Amino acid sequence: GAVVSQHPSRVICKSGTSVKIECRSLDFQATTMFWYRQFPKQSLMLMATSNEGSKATYEQGVEKDKFLINHASLTLSTLTVTSAHPEDSSFYICSARLTGTDRRYGYTFGSGTRLTVV
Amino acid sequence: LAKTTQPISMDSYEGQEVNITCSHNNIATNDYITWYQQFPSQGPRFIIQGYKTKVTNEVASLFIPADRKSSTLSLPRVSLSDTAVYYCLVGGSNNDMRFGAGTRLTVKP
Repeated sequence: GAVVSQHPSRVICKSGTSVKIECRSLDFQATTMFWYRQFPKQSLMLMATSNEGSKATYEQGVEKDKFLINHASLTLSTLTVTSAHPEDSSFYICSARLTGTDRRYGYTFGSGTRLTVV
Repeated sequence: LAKTTQPISMDSYEGQEVNITCSHNNIATNDYITWYQQFPSQGPRFIIQGYKTKVTNEVASLFIPADRKSSTLSLPRVSLSDTAVYYCLVGGSNNDMRFGAGTRLTVKP
């Protein structure tokens, strides 16, 4: 149980275009989801916290107009990288917290999306 | 915000026990300690979670001293497939899910 599906797993796009990444909780409801970016040989960097039905909370230094997050339902959050540039190429990972649980075993991660901007 | 400190890297050999220690000096009363494993180009995978003393599951043990300012992940008899990055996270009700640098474990034949 508690599976998070992330799609696509890989995407290549041209500079200037936008890319949408989906994060779905398959068998549970997720009030809160998290989006991370990970560069090679580095740790996961939290980009934003996505709350169902409200605006996302972005970490300092993350452009909210460039990385659009929508969490319209309890099972789906999307991250849209707008006007992508080569420096946006990275590994993006989402995570979800199980609604109604305490902190124990409450977080599960998607398999990640490898974005390459050419 | 409980910051964590782990060794950057560790090497081991197949069949050995590996212990990775994480320091979290400002852990809060309601914080749990969770360890994740990450392989290249994959999302982190839950390994084990604990609050105090010792927790054991089918893949690892977690030792937490009484003051809870550190924790040790113990992997018994590692194999080549245990080569990965291991992250220690400490958090409570504030939804804090920020990762530290992690420990890159390399298991050699």
